[in-house]
Amino acid sequence: SYVLTQPPSVSVAPGKTARITCGGNNIGSKSVHWYQQKPGQAPVLVIYYDSDRPSGIPERFSGSNSGNTATLTISRVEAGDEADYYCQVWDSSSDHPRYVFGTGTKVTVL
Amino acid sequence: EVQLLESGGGLVQPGGSLRLSCAASGFTFSSYAMSWVRQAPGKGLEWVSAISGSGGSTYYADSVKGRFTISRDNSKNTLYLQMNSLRAEDTAVYYCAKLSLVVVVAAINAFDIWGQGTMVTVSS
Repeated sequence: SYVLTQPPSVSVAPGKTARITCGGNNIGSKSVHWYQQKPGQAPVLVIYYDSDRPSGIPERFSGSNSGNTATLTISRVEAGDEADYYCQVWDSSSDHPRYVFGTGTKVTVL
Repeated sequence: EVQLLESGGGLVQPGGSLRLSCAASGFTFSSYAMSWVRQAPGKGLEWVSAISGSGGSTYYADSVKGRFTISRDNSKNTLYLQMNSLRAEDTAVYYCAKLSLVVVVAAINAFDIWGQGTMVTVSS
């Protein structure tokens, strides 16, 4: 089965840049989507199709995807960006196609 | 305003059944695939099931296949999840989520709208 691996945690100072990785076998050939989940709230889509932003998502959020790693980058980090972040792909490589989420990364703003 | 509102969660004994509902508003419900995603306490997101816009195609995670059934009533703008033979490991918040396309099988599909979730607790 397809596995997406994320670092458990990332810490960043306000105003700096946070980079959250999502590792998967040849993930560069897939479309990667990213979700932000704040405590007690439902997830929110922040990046789709590797690097596109839904309306209402700040330009500080960007994404890239190549090889075996996809990356979510948050520039000029703010206190309000503190949350869990999940990557997600569609896996059609087996007899049972399915949606797969990454293990999740907790972003802490120092 | 696009909105998804789940209901039907609660406490159920192991081996019991529960049916979740998700009422959709603010968009043309039949034009989009829908899905259920769950999150066990303190854990990450786990995809559970998805259904195409017409309801003709359904997909399940291995962990629930044969026990859960997803369905939809496009005349009522409502998504359902019938959960049978529940186990302790099914305990989670269950989210209803809208997919960005009418079909399920698409790499470019994203979960673009989420409900607030409903808690399911399986315990004796």
